[in-house]
Amino acid sequence: AQSVTQLDSQVPVFEEAPVELRCNYSSSVSVYLFWYVQYPNQGLQLLLKYLSGSTLVKGINGFEAEFNKSQTSFHLRKPSVHISDTAEYFCAVSRVGGFKTIFGAGTRLFVKA
Amino acid sequence: DVKVTQSSRYLVKRTGEKVFLECVQDMDHENMFWYRQDPGLGLRLIYFSYDVKMKEKGDIPEGYSVSREKKERFSLILESASTNQTSMYLCASSPPGESSGNTIYFGEGSWLTVV
Repeated sequence: AQSVTQLDSQVPVFEEAPVELRCNYSSSVSVYLFWYVQYPNQGLQLLLKYLSGSTLVKGINGFEAEFNKSQTSFHLRKPSVHISDTAEYFCAVSRVGGFKTIFGAGTRLFVKA
Repeated sequence: DVKVTQSSRYLVKRTGEKVFLECVQDMDHENMFWYRQDPGLGLRLIYFSYDVKMKEKGDIPEGYSVSREKKERFSLILESASTNQTSMYLCASSPPGESSGNTIYFGEGSWLTVV
């Protein structure tokens, strides 16, 4: 079975500062990895995903994530955040060939002016 | 763009009522899902379906059932609503195959309050 741990429940950061949201996963088989974002009162939308190939994945809104197989991590980064990035971010894992996607508990990013 | 539409954004129901949450997707996706979202717990899978009339239990199916009579529609049913089912419910769909990598498309969510 797969599992996902998001190491920070809340991350406050000032506008234009860099941010890293941490995610570790556990799986004995090959997986796909995802980051989803949820803005207030909305559903989730895909930010980026790792399927295979290059371990550095670029997503929407200037976010990127790096897949590190040896550390079983998939941390999300942005070099300079905006107020509009305030949202909840979910890391997720799905077994290759499987149906189910397992989500982490979420990290609430709060960008302050 | 993929569109997943949940019929109700906000519902208030009484304990013991039978509750139907409806979801429709317009992209001919085989897979559909119902998740429950609670603070600090993330998203937990209630049920999923990979084909019409097919359903599989997720991680927290107790107290819920589902129906998928048509490919585009997936309904979540609370047979007898209880206060511990007060939550945000998210419907989602995904296409099959390696190219999508199980990318999931979500609806806007349904906030259910059971009183």
